Amino acid sequence: QVQLVESGGGVVQPGRSLRLSCAASGFTFSNYGMHWVRQAPGKGLEWVAVISYDGSHKYYADSVKGRFTLSRDNSKNTLYVQMNSLRAEDTAVYYCAKPQAAGILFYSFDIWGQGTMVTVSS
Amino acid sequence: SYDLTQPPSVSVSPGQTASITCSGDKLGDKYACWYQQKPGQSPVLVIYQDTKRPSGIPERFSGSNSGNTATLTISGTQAMDEADYYCQAWDSSSVVFGGGTKLTVL
Repeated sequence: QVQLVESGGGVVQPGRSLRLSCAASGFTFSNYGMHWVRQAPGKGLEWVAVISYDGSHKYYADSVKGRFTLSRDNSKNTLYVQMNSLRAEDTAVYYCAKPQAAGILFYSFDIWGQGTMVTVSS
Repeated sequence: SYDLTQPPSVSVSPGQTASITCSGDKLGDKYACWYQQKPGQSPVLVIYQDTKRPSGIPERFSGSNSGNTATLTISGTQAMDEADYYCQAWDSSSVVFGGGTKLTVL
């Protein structure tokens, strides 16, 4: 079945880096733009960034612009986010999410991963 | 930046109709969608393109979007519908979520 599985979360000190992965299965990954969405403890959903199906276009929320970088490896059906200069306010569950329609970058998300927790703390 | 505003909480009695609003400037000119999130779980899409239900979502969930307000309506609300609900919209370069509404069924 269609599935997204995030990994790579953990506890990291402020100012350090972390890379998250999202492994996709059950659909043609290379046809879809992919998103990261985060949720701080007890808070709402916050969109983080999107990468186009071929990696040629990337858009970021202002809160992470210049610190986070999205990439993807379509041969491995995997999405990545490299998070640098981490701050306490980046503490959140990070979800990857798939748009409902192929070839459309911004749309509703029909599939979400289970999320991976990132804690930024000294 | 574009903002979406939801009431923090809505209460409803079992079997009654719950309405959750989402307000944004000219939101009716965009598509809105809605997610349900239960504690410890990932969000689930319940309404997309303003009014459409994904397969597997009960018919008691419906949506509308006009003017500055999108609305999620749950008819005959059940205890299992107690959850947080988020609206979402997007433009050419970003996605926006509402702050979320906690639906209590009591």
